[in-house]
Amino acid sequence: SYVLTQPPSVSVAPGQTARITCGVNNIEGKSVHWYQQKPGQAPVLVVFDDRDRPSGIPERFSGSSSGNTATLTIGRVEAGDEADYYCQLWDNNDDHPDGFGPGTTVTVL
Amino acid sequence: EVQLVESGGALVQPGRSLRLSCRASGFSFEEYGMSWVRQAPGKGLEWVSLIRGKANGRTTDYAASMRGRFTISRDDSKSIVYLQIIGLKTDDTGVYYCTRAPIWGPFDYWGQGTLVTVSS
Repeated sequence: SYVLTQPPSVSVAPGQTARITCGVNNIEGKSVHWYQQKPGQAPVLVVFDDRDRPSGIPERFSGSSSGNTATLTIGRVEAGDEADYYCQLWDNNDDHPDGFGPGTTVTVL
Repeated sequence: EVQLVESGGALVQPGRSLRLSCRASGFSFEEYGMSWVRQAPGKGLEWVSLIRGKANGRTTDYAASMRGRFTISRDDSKSIVYLQIIGLKTDDTGVYYCTRAPIWGPFDYWGQGTLVTVSS
């Protein structure tokens, strides 16, 4: 099984950049997807396949991956970006989801 | 417009069974995999189960901790995916989300969830 690690919280001032990391013990053959969940709402996909954005998601949201760490970057942070963010690992060999990270709460100062 | 509407959540006693439903619209249902994700109160997301589309044999997958008490199924003629849960435990309490799951992922659309409360 795979263990995903995320920082519990990230604080950022408006207009600055927030970076949320997702550590995986073995990322080979996997894709990482990112979801945003605001209080009382269902999650929304913001980045898929490490770095692609669904239509309707602002360009301020971007993803990257290096080594065994995937990163979600939120540029020019706005108050409306305050939410929980979850990474998800997907096994590309078996077309199988490998679970979610524990989530990171982004607080806009 | 893709829409997923869950139903069937309820207050149930431990040991009882429950069947959740998710009605889909706005896309060719049989072509897509569908999945269930749950979230306990104040906790993170937990993947439960996946059922693939017709072209992939409607095969199923379960999170290791969910095997045995959870059964996912689908009725393509009605565009509905189900989640049957038997032997409910208090730890099963939470919101259960239905998601669309294209082949190779991700979960690109989510319903608003249905609340399951297991308590005596």
